[in-house]
Amino acid sequence: DTAVSQTPKYLVTQMGNDKSIKCEQNLGHDTMYWYKQDSKKFLKIMFSYNNKELIINETVPNRFSPKSPDKAHLNLHINSLELGDSAVYFCASSQEREWPADTQYFGPGTRLTVL
Amino acid sequence: DAKTTQPNSMESNEEEPVHLPCNHSTISGTDYIHWYRQLPSQGPEYVIHGLTSNVNNRMASLAIAEDRKSSTLILHRATLRDAAVYYCILRDSTNTGNQFYFGTGTSLTVIP
Repeated sequence: DTAVSQTPKYLVTQMGNDKSIKCEQNLGHDTMYWYKQDSKKFLKIMFSYNNKELIINETVPNRFSPKSPDKAHLNLHINSLELGDSAVYFCASSQEREWPADTQYFGPGTRLTVL
Repeated sequence: DAKTTQPNSMESNEEEPVHLPCNHSTISGTDYIHWYRQLPSQGPEYVIHGLTSNVNNRMASLAIAEDRKSSTLILHRATLRDAAVYYCILRDSTNTGNQFYFGTGTSLTVIP
């Protein structure tokens, strides 16, 4: 069983479009995250959700809107896509009660290409 | 957030031990030291973490300096599968909002 899954794996779209990336974890964790890895391989946190509530928003443009319908899902919706949004997006999850020694489990990533 | 410094790249021969250093001279007494690695085209994966004492698990060992200003991740016998980027991360135990901030990491090449 895949612990953290993301769909789609690849996403190619035109500038200006709106797209969503889905993330699901079956680990029973209560905290989920979105990270962005740019072309220089720098991995940067975007959002953190705990029990469906936003905890961290790291100065991400408001074109990015995370949505958590339940503890096991954290989807990322992106409006008006720009060339600079091209990157690999990783979802992750962890268990808050283990913090700060908690382990984050990452998904396989979604490679977004904006043309 | 306390910062970490790692060499950009390292090489190791297969089946030899590898010592990956990390400097964190501004570490506070409450910061945990976490190590993650990212294999090519995959998401990061947990390797090991510690606070003050050296730690061992099935993947690696973590040696923490007595003053905690540096640490070393030890892979006892490098395999080709260990070729990855290794990240050393500090996690502040006093700040519940503190999240993982990945630096540039060390790219490990394993030579057959």
